[in-house]
Order: sequence, then C-alpha cells, then structure tokens
Amino acid sequence: DVKVTQSSRYLVKRTGEKVFLECVQDMDHENMFWYRQDPGLGLRLIYFSYDVKMKEKGDIPEGYSVSREKKERFSLILESASTNQTSMYLCASSLFASGSYEQYFGPGTRLTVT
Amino acid sequence: DQQVKQNSPSLSVQEGRISILNCDYTNSMFDYFLWYKKYPAEGPTFLISISSIKDKNEDGRFTVFLNKSAKHLSLHIVPSQPGDSAVYFCAASARNSGNTPLVFGKGTRLSVIA
Repeated sequence: DVKVTQSSRYLVKRTGEKVFLECVQDMDHENMFWYRQDPGLGLRLIYFSYDVKMKEKGDIPEGYSVSREKKERFSLILESASTNQTSMYLCASSLFASGSYEQYFGPGTRLTVT
Repeated sequence: DQQVKQNSPSLSVQEGRISILNCDYTNSMFDYFLWYKKYPAEGPTFLISISSIKDKNEDGRFTVFLNKSAKHLSLHIVPSQPGDSAVYFCAASARNSGNTPLVFGKGTRLSVIA
C-alpha cells in the first residue's frame, strides 16, 4: 500500500512565523504535490515537483516555497505565515503527474495562523 | 477559468436510494477522469476512474458514466449508505499533454440520511 505521511495533523502558528510542513512518501513516486483545501474552493494546487530539486508553481504559489532534496520528501514552507494561510494542507504523490496513475494523498495538516 | 466544474456544492439523499454526482469539463484534451472521496480531517482517497475510450466503469456500488460529446461525467452510488457521506471530488487529466497535474473540481458534499 502506498503511504503518504505528513509531519503534523494539527499545527498552530503565529503571524510572521516561518512554518515547515513535511511530507514523505514510501512508493518511490517521481511526482509530489502540495494542495490546500478551503470550504467552497476545493483543492487548489500550490506547488508540485517532478523530480528531486525540481519544482513547478501551481495555481496559488504566492506566499509559499517548496524544497525537494530527496525523492521521498517534499516540504512546503510558509516564509512568513499570515492568517489567510489558515487552511487544510494536503500532500500527494503519484507515479505520473498526468494521472494515468492516481494521486495518493496524505492525511492532511490543519494549520491555524493566529 | 474552471476546467472542471461540480455545480452542486451539496446533495442530500435518503439511505438506500441512488446518489448521482455530476461533473462537467471544458478541456477537450482531458482523457482520463477520476473520483475521490474525502472525509473531514482526512486526505482524499481514490474511488474510481474512467478512460475516455470507455463510457462506463463499474466497481461495486459505484459506477462512473462518461459522455464525451457533452463533456460530462457522473458518479452513481447505489444503494447509498450513511458511510458514503463525504465530499466527492471529480478530477481530470490530459495524459497526452505531458506531465501535468490532475485538475480538480470544487467538490460536492454528499449527505446520506438514514
């Protein structure tokens, strides 16, 4: 079974703090993704990565950066957290980004920025 | 511009009846479609998929229908059970367009009433 794990299920941070969200997958997938989910807005893609040290902007990259130093690990960084980044963050991985193999999601991190 | 649309934010169905969730798409390059199910505080899980070469795919109580000419797909759940209550996301992929991520709809919240 594919397993995608995220470092925290719940996180509370203060405005202006630097926040790291970690994601690890154990299936040797090339592709990894970060989404945020907000009510009424569905899943919005923040960044994705096709390979180690490679990254591509998604639909809403502003205020975020990512790091992929190892194939199995994809980190999302909020350089200076703001209250509008309070959200559910979801990491996913897939064998091929095009979706002929489905994306597998982690359990999510509920981030609250106060 | 939304390429994948789920026009019903919510749907309420009686236990034992059929649930029909709809999804429309605009990009004619999409050739692979997936449905994901998401419970609160969990990541989405893959439910069922369909390739554009088919018009129907069935898996137990779940059937997905694809109407390419109308650019429309639907997920049928028969019979609906209270455990089916969740948010359902439709996703699409253009596999021949290179390595691009899945495009998700905004989701439909299904409530199955006992």
